[in-house]
Amino acid sequence: AQSVTQLGSHVSVSEGALVLLRCNYSSSVPPYLFWYVQYPNQGLQLLLKYTTGATLVKGINGFEAEFKKSETSFHLTKPSAHMSDAAEYFCAVSDDAGKSTFGDGTTLTVKP
Amino acid sequence: DVKVTQSSRYLVKRTGEKVFLECVQDMDHENMFWYRQDPGLGLRLIYFSYDVKMKEKGDIPEGYSVSREKKERFSLILESASTNQTSMYLCASATWATEAFFGQGTRLTVV
Repeated sequence: AQSVTQLGSHVSVSEGALVLLRCNYSSSVPPYLFWYVQYPNQGLQLLLKYTTGATLVKGINGFEAEFKKSETSFHLTKPSAHMSDAAEYFCAVSDDAGKSTFGDGTTLTVKP
Repeated sequence: DVKVTQSSRYLVKRTGEKVFLECVQDMDHENMFWYRQDPGLGLRLIYFSYDVKMKEKGDIPEGYSVSREKKERFSLILESASTNQTSMYLCASATWATEAFFGQGTRLTVV
């Protein structure tokens, strides 16, 4: 069975500060890992994905994540937060068919 | 541009009504999913389908059913709506070994 744990349901940073959103997963097979972003009253939009290959994954809007198999982690980072980054972020692990298990989500607040 | 379209953004229904939530995708994806999203609980899988006329129960199927008569369309049915089914419902589609694409969501309120 797959599971995802996002540490911290709310994260607050100042504009220009580092963003770090934590995600740990468990999976019995090599996973597909994703980060999605959700703006209010919208669906989920893909930020980045890890399937195979390079462990440092670059996504949209300056976000990146590093797959660490030994730590079963896939933390999301951005060097400098922007006001427009305020949203809810979901980490997910999926199987080959796209059936996904999601974390509970982390709400990112960016202070001016 | 790829698209997953849910028929309604907002719905208000009465307790006991039969409710249909429709989802259509234009990407020729084999796999389709219905999730519900509640604050603090993330997204939970209700039902999914890997082929026309095929359906599988997800983690929380009680009180729901689905229909997939055509490849592009996946419907979620609440046979008798109850207040604890008030939630945001998200449809998604995917092909093999790729990310899922999500619709905009339907916010359902049952009164």
